[in-house]
Amino acid sequence: DSGVTQTPKHLITATGQRVTLRCSPRSGDLSVYWYQQSLDQGLQFLIQYYNGEERAKGNILERFSAQQFPDLHSELNLSSLELGDSALYFCASSVGTVGTYGYTFGSGTRLTVV
Amino acid sequence: AQSVAQPEDQVNVAEGNPLTVKCTYSVSGNPYLFWYVQYPNRGLQFLLKYITGDNLVKGSYGFEAEFNKSQTSFHLKKPSALVSDSALYFCAVRDGDSGGYQKVTFGTGTKLQVIP
Repeated sequence: DSGVTQTPKHLITATGQRVTLRCSPRSGDLSVYWYQQSLDQGLQFLIQYYNGEERAKGNILERFSAQQFPDLHSELNLSSLELGDSALYFCASSVGTVGTYGYTFGSGTRLTVV
Repeated sequence: AQSVAQPEDQVNVAEGNPLTVKCTYSVSGNPYLFWYVQYPNRGLQFLLKYITGDNLVKGSYGFEAEFNKSQTSFHLKKPSALVSDSALYFCAVRDGDSGGYQKVTFGTGTKLQVIP
């Protein structure tokens, strides 16, 4: 157990729907990062939050949004889902703002859009 | 912009033989370098990092990596491969000199297959 908790582990939904993925960072970590992992595009950085505030944005679609709550857990919202959104979504956390000493990853949420 | 390249999609090695997984990087400042391993249906696990100091970095599970500034490489090595080392390995880099936030950039991953 890495200390980063992601729920649910698996999600199957239809095109056009909206889902919410949840992440609880490792105790003491203030930064949360979201990544998408697909077969054809590898590991893509989506977005980072630090202590409740958006810190950096990567290749995140407009249909996707995220937030980090006062208790530091984070949610990634995916809407108007398309078949191409099927992927593994990982959350990672780090103590500081830049992950100097590395990230701790959760086990991921496997999203299947049908 | 920073980038990292893992030139091999897959590396096959016999059990007991030494293994090398290659990684080259590009950053404008001083590199912070990382290796992660991903087992099937699991998240990435941190193996080792280079921030500064000795060019040979030792990490988890007997892995080590050598930082070579002139060749901008950070190859992952292990003297004797185990079947249980079979997994997907990711190299990652960030620019240690950048102000503010600079995200970590991951390579595309190399699948290591250790053959019994």
